[in-house]
Amino acid sequence: AQTVTQSQPEMSVQEAETVTLSCTYDTSESDYYLFWYKQPPSRQMILVIRQEAYKQQNATENRFSVNFQKAAKSFSLKISDSQLGDAAMYFCAYRSPQGAQKLVFGQGTRLTINP
Amino acid sequence: DTEVTQTPKHLVMGMTNKKSLKCEQHMGHRAMYWYKQKAKKPPELMFVYSYEKLSINESVPSRFSPECPNSSLLNLHLHALQPEDSALYLCASSPSSGRGAYEQYFGPGTRLTVT
Repeated sequence: AQTVTQSQPEMSVQEAETVTLSCTYDTSESDYYLFWYKQPPSRQMILVIRQEAYKQQNATENRFSVNFQKAAKSFSLKISDSQLGDAAMYFCAYRSPQGAQKLVFGQGTRLTINP
Repeated sequence: DTEVTQTPKHLVMGMTNKKSLKCEQHMGHRAMYWYKQKAKKPPELMFVYSYEKLSINESVPSRFSPECPNSSLLNLHLHALQPEDSALYLCASSPSSGRGAYEQYFGPGTRLTVT
Protein backbone atom coordinates (compact mmCIF):
# COMPACT_ATOMS: atom_id res chain seq x y z
CA ALA A 1 0.00 0.00 0.00
CA GLN A 2 1.12 3.52 -0.73
CA THR A 3 1.98 5.92 2.07
CA VAL A 4 2.57 9.67 2.12
CA THR A 5 4.63 11.42 4.78
CA GLN A 6 4.77 15.10 5.59
CA SER A 7 7.44 15.53 8.22
CA GLN A 8 6.70 19.16 9.09
CA PRO A 9 3.51 19.50 11.17
CA GLU A 10 3.87 23.28 11.26
CA MET A 11 5.85 25.91 9.41
CA SER A 12 5.90 29.67 9.39
CA VAL A 13 7.29 32.24 6.97
CA GLN A 14 7.47 35.99 6.70
CA GLU A 15 5.22 37.62 4.18
CA ALA A 16 6.91 37.96 0.75
CA GLU A 17 9.48 35.28 1.61
CA THR A 18 9.80 31.80 0.10
CA VAL A 19 8.91 28.59 1.92
CA THR A 20 9.24 24.93 0.99
CA LEU A 21 6.96 22.18 2.31
CA SER A 22 8.26 18.62 2.25
CA CYS A 23 6.51 15.45 1.17
CA THR A 24 7.81 11.94 0.65
CA TYR A 25 5.90 8.90 -0.46
CA ASP A 26 6.34 5.20 -0.77
CA THR A 27 5.11 3.20 -3.73
CA SER A 28 6.10 0.30 -5.94
CA GLU A 29 4.28 1.75 -8.93
CA SER A 30 6.12 3.52 -11.72
CA ASP A 31 3.18 5.56 -12.91
CA TYR A 32 1.12 7.70 -10.53
CA TYR A 33 -0.06 11.22 -9.78
CA LEU A 34 0.85 13.61 -7.01
CA PHE A 35 -1.09 16.60 -5.75
CA TRP A 36 -0.82 19.42 -3.27
CA TYR A 37 -4.09 20.59 -1.74
CA LYS A 38 -4.62 23.66 0.41
CA GLN A 39 -7.26 23.84 3.14
CA PRO A 40 -7.71 27.32 4.62
CA PRO A 41 -9.74 27.93 7.79
CA SER A 42 -12.81 28.15 5.56
CA ARG A 43 -12.36 24.34 5.30
CA GLN A 44 -12.63 23.96 1.54
CA MET A 45 -9.94 21.81 -0.01
CA ILE A 46 -8.41 23.60 -2.99
CA LEU A 47 -6.11 21.97 -5.52
CA VAL A 48 -2.82 23.88 -5.69
CA ILE A 49 -0.78 21.87 -8.14
CA ARG A 50 -0.47 18.40 -9.65
CA GLN A 51 2.37 16.34 -11.09
CA GLU A 52 2.27 13.28 -13.34
CA ALA A 53 5.08 10.87 -12.47
CA TYR A 54 5.96 10.23 -16.12
CA LYS A 55 6.73 13.92 -16.64
CA GLN A 56 10.26 14.94 -15.75
CA GLN A 57 9.46 18.63 -15.82
CA ASN A 58 8.43 20.07 -12.49
CA ALA A 59 4.93 21.55 -12.40
CA THR A 60 4.47 25.28 -11.83
CA GLU A 61 1.37 27.33 -11.11
CA ASN A 62 2.10 31.03 -10.67
CA ARG A 63 3.87 31.38 -7.27
CA PHE A 64 3.64 27.65 -6.57
CA SER A 65 6.13 25.13 -7.91
CA VAL A 66 7.19 21.62 -7.05
CA ASN A 67 10.49 19.82 -6.85
CA PHE A 68 9.67 16.29 -7.98
CA GLN A 69 12.46 13.78 -7.37
CA LYS A 70 11.10 10.45 -8.57
CA ALA A 71 14.07 8.31 -7.56
CA ALA A 72 14.04 9.79 -4.07
CA LYS A 73 10.22 9.64 -3.94
CA SER A 74 10.10 13.26 -2.90
CA PHE A 75 7.56 15.91 -3.88
CA SER A 76 8.13 19.26 -2.19
CA LEU A 77 6.08 22.42 -2.69
CA LYS A 78 7.73 25.83 -2.96
CA ILE A 79 5.67 28.94 -2.37
CA SER A 80 7.33 32.13 -3.56
CA ASP A 81 6.43 35.65 -2.44
CA SER A 82 4.24 34.30 0.37
CA GLN A 83 0.98 36.12 0.94
CA LEU A 84 -1.31 36.25 3.95
CA GLY A 85 -3.89 34.33 1.95
CA ASP A 86 -1.50 31.38 1.68
CA ALA A 87 -2.02 30.59 5.36
CA ALA A 88 -3.65 27.16 5.46
CA MET A 89 -3.18 23.47 6.05
CA TYR A 90 -1.37 21.92 3.10
CA PHE A 91 -1.87 18.26 2.21
CA CYS A 92 0.26 16.22 -0.12
CA ALA A 93 -1.67 13.43 -1.86
CA TYR A 94 -0.86 10.39 -4.02
CA ARG A 95 -3.08 8.68 -6.52
CA SER A 96 -2.52 5.44 -8.32
CA PRO A 97 -3.54 5.31 -11.99
CA GLN A 98 -5.21 1.97 -11.41
CA GLY A 99 -8.82 1.59 -10.41
CA ALA A 100 -10.91 4.27 -8.76
CA GLN A 101 -9.39 7.54 -7.77
CA LYS A 102 -8.50 6.95 -4.17
CA LEU A 103 -6.31 9.74 -2.83
CA VAL A 104 -3.76 8.86 -0.17
CA PHE A 105 -3.10 11.96 1.92
CA GLY A 106 -0.20 12.94 4.12
CA GLN A 107 -0.86 14.23 7.63
CA GLY A 108 -0.63 17.85 6.55
CA THR A 109 1.55 20.88 7.26
CA ARG A 110 0.03 23.96 8.86
CA LEU A 111 1.55 27.06 7.27
CA THR A 112 1.47 30.40 9.06
CA ILE A 113 2.31 33.64 7.28
CA ASN A 114 3.76 36.37 9.50
CA PRO A 115 3.07 39.95 8.37
CA ASP B 1 -18.17 26.32 -13.27
CA THR B 2 -15.85 24.27 -11.07
CA GLU B 3 -18.08 24.27 -8.04
CA VAL B 4 -19.20 21.48 -5.78
CA THR B 5 -21.95 22.52 -3.40
CA GLN B 6 -22.89 20.88 -0.12
CA THR B 7 -25.88 21.37 2.13
CA PRO B 8 -26.31 21.98 4.96
CA LYS B 9 -23.16 23.79 6.11
CA HIS B 10 -23.77 22.78 9.70
CA LEU B 11 -25.85 19.99 11.18
CA VAL B 12 -26.53 19.04 14.77
CA MET B 13 -28.34 15.78 15.34
CA GLY B 14 -29.17 13.43 18.14
CA MET B 15 -28.17 9.80 18.15
CA THR B 16 -31.70 8.68 17.28
CA ASN B 17 -32.22 11.13 14.43
CA LYS B 18 -32.21 10.47 10.71
CA LYS B 19 -30.71 13.15 8.52
CA SER B 20 -29.16 13.48 5.08
CA LEU B 21 -26.24 15.38 3.60
CA LYS B 22 -26.46 16.58 0.03
CA CYS B 23 -23.78 17.20 -2.56
CA GLU B 24 -24.24 18.56 -6.06
CA GLN B 25 -21.98 19.28 -9.02
CA HIS B 26 -22.77 20.49 -12.54
CA MET B 27 -19.39 19.94 -14.15
CA GLY B 28 -20.40 16.74 -15.88
CA HIS B 29 -18.13 14.73 -13.60
CA ARG B 30 -18.82 10.99 -13.46
CA ALA B 31 -17.08 10.15 -10.19
CA MET B 32 -18.17 11.43 -6.78
CA TYR B 33 -16.74 10.87 -3.32
CA TRP B 34 -17.56 11.17 0.36
CA TYR B 35 -14.77 11.88 2.85
CA LYS B 36 -14.78 12.24 6.62
CA GLN B 37 -12.31 14.65 8.21
CA LYS B 38 -11.58 14.96 11.91
CA ALA B 39 -9.92 18.08 13.26
CA LYS B 40 -6.25 18.51 12.31
CA LYS B 41 -6.33 15.27 10.30
CA PRO B 42 -6.38 14.53 6.58
CA PRO B 43 -9.63 13.49 4.89
CA GLU B 44 -10.48 9.81 5.05
CA LEU B 45 -12.24 8.27 2.08
CA MET B 46 -15.62 6.73 2.81
CA PHE B 47 -17.31 6.01 -0.52
CA VAL B 48 -16.68 6.38 -4.24
CA TYR B 49 -19.38 6.41 -6.91
CA SER B 50 -18.35 5.91 -10.51
CA TYR B 51 -20.96 6.40 -13.20
CA GLU B 52 -23.64 6.37 -10.50
CA LYS B 53 -22.58 2.98 -9.13
CA LEU B 54 -20.90 2.42 -5.81
CA SER B 55 -17.34 1.36 -6.59
CA ILE B 56 -15.63 1.73 -3.21
CA ASN B 57 -16.92 1.37 0.34
CA GLU B 58 -14.05 1.76 2.79
CA SER B 59 -15.67 -0.51 5.37
CA VAL B 60 -17.91 2.29 6.56
CA PRO B 61 -20.50 1.39 9.26
CA SER B 62 -24.01 0.84 7.94
CA ARG B 63 -25.31 3.85 9.86
CA PHE B 64 -23.89 5.79 6.90
CA SER B 65 -25.80 5.07 3.70
CA PRO B 66 -24.74 6.71 0.43
CA GLU B 67 -27.00 7.30 -2.53
CA CYS B 68 -26.34 8.60 -6.03
CA PRO B 69 -29.73 9.42 -7.62
CA ASN B 70 -28.14 10.84 -10.77
CA SER B 71 -24.77 11.89 -12.12
CA SER B 72 -24.96 15.34 -10.52
CA LEU B 73 -26.20 14.47 -7.07
CA LEU B 74 -24.78 12.53 -4.14
CA ASN B 75 -26.47 12.01 -0.80
CA LEU B 76 -25.26 10.61 2.49
CA HIS B 77 -28.05 9.31 4.73
CA LEU B 78 -27.31 9.27 8.43
CA HIS B 79 -29.06 7.17 11.06
CA ALA B 80 -28.28 6.26 14.66
CA LEU B 81 -24.93 8.02 14.64
CA GLN B 82 -22.50 8.08 17.52
CA PRO B 83 -20.78 11.13 19.04
CA GLU B 84 -17.48 9.96 17.50
CA ASP B 85 -19.06 10.45 14.08
CA SER B 86 -18.90 14.21 14.64
CA ALA B 87 -16.62 15.56 11.91
CA LEU B 88 -16.42 17.57 8.71
CA TYR B 89 -17.92 15.63 5.81
CA LEU B 90 -16.47 16.53 2.46
CA CYS B 91 -17.86 15.72 -0.95
CA ALA B 92 -15.68 15.70 -4.06
CA SER B 93 -16.06 15.00 -7.75
CA SER B 94 -13.73 14.25 -10.64
CA PRO B 95 -14.16 13.89 -14.40
CA SER B 96 -13.78 10.14 -14.27
CA SER B 97 -12.45 7.33 -12.19
CA GLY B 98 -10.26 5.82 -14.84
CA ARG B 99 -6.69 6.35 -15.88
CA GLY B 100 -5.59 9.95 -15.97
CA ALA B 101 -4.63 12.77 -13.65
CA TYR B 102 -8.23 13.58 -12.85
CA GLU B 103 -7.99 15.88 -9.92
CA GLN B 104 -10.78 15.92 -7.40
CA TYR B 105 -12.76 19.08 -6.75
CA PHE B 106 -13.99 19.42 -3.21
CA GLY B 107 -17.06 21.06 -1.75
CA PRO B 108 -16.95 23.29 1.35
CA GLY B 109 -18.09 20.47 3.63
CA THR B 110 -20.81 19.89 6.20
CA ARG B 111 -19.83 20.26 9.84
CA LEU B 112 -21.71 17.50 11.67
CA THR B 113 -22.14 17.38 15.42
CA VAL B 114 -23.77 14.35 17.01
CA THR B 115 -25.14 14.94 20.51
